[in-house]
Amino acid sequence: DADVTQTPRNRITKTGKRIMLECSQTKGHDRMYWYRQDPGLGLRLIYYSFDVKDINKGEISDGYSVSRQAQAKFSLSLESAIPNQTALYFCATAKGSDTGELFFGEGSRLTVL
Amino acid sequence: GQNIDQPTEMTATEGAIVQINCTYQTSGFNGLFWYQQHAGEAPTFLSYNVLDGLEEKGRFSSFLSRSKGYSYLLLKELQMKDSASYLCAVIDSNYQLIWGAGTKLIIKP
Repeated sequence: DADVTQTPRNRITKTGKRIMLECSQTKGHDRMYWYRQDPGLGLRLIYYSFDVKDINKGEISDGYSVSRQAQAKFSLSLESAIPNQTALYFCATAKGSDTGELFFGEGSRLTVL
Repeated sequence: GQNIDQPTEMTATEGAIVQINCTYQTSGFNGLFWYQQHAGEAPTFLSYNVLDGLEEKGRFSSFLSRSKGYSYLLLKELQMKDSASYLCAVIDSNYQLIWGAGTKLIIKP
């Protein structure tokens, strides 16, 4: 089983719908991240969390919200999805180090029609 | 602004050697990562450089020159399974990770 699990893996939805992407990890890491990946662009950070009570905005947080329900769970929500949020979303974890490598989930492909 | 440049796509032959370059302009530097990403899959860690010089790990090596804002990933004895995108990422002075768009490497028989 994957150490970092994302659900759903694929989702097609309509404009205006609320969508939640979930991430759970068994690595015991404190740090969790949500990224989106678009063709031709680097990974862009949406939100990150260094522990259960810590939530931080990334470079593209508008239109998104997150919840850190437990050390192992970090969810990303799109309150009202729009077509330009169509992308591949990755959850990642890291140990408690500013220079630690990231461990990625398998990705959630979201299409907003 | 912060910027990381990598070639968009490269082609190489099975068994050969390929060098993928990465240049960066960031506000400070606290390390550089290389990740491999197969199509439709998650990125996986390849290497981390924080000091100048070459880090070798099997068929893969990564080089860093901080004064030049430059790194490269060297892949030797290329195999078909090395066909993937290679992502360069830099940790800036605020310990934020800045990602390049990635280099798609195509290996031909």
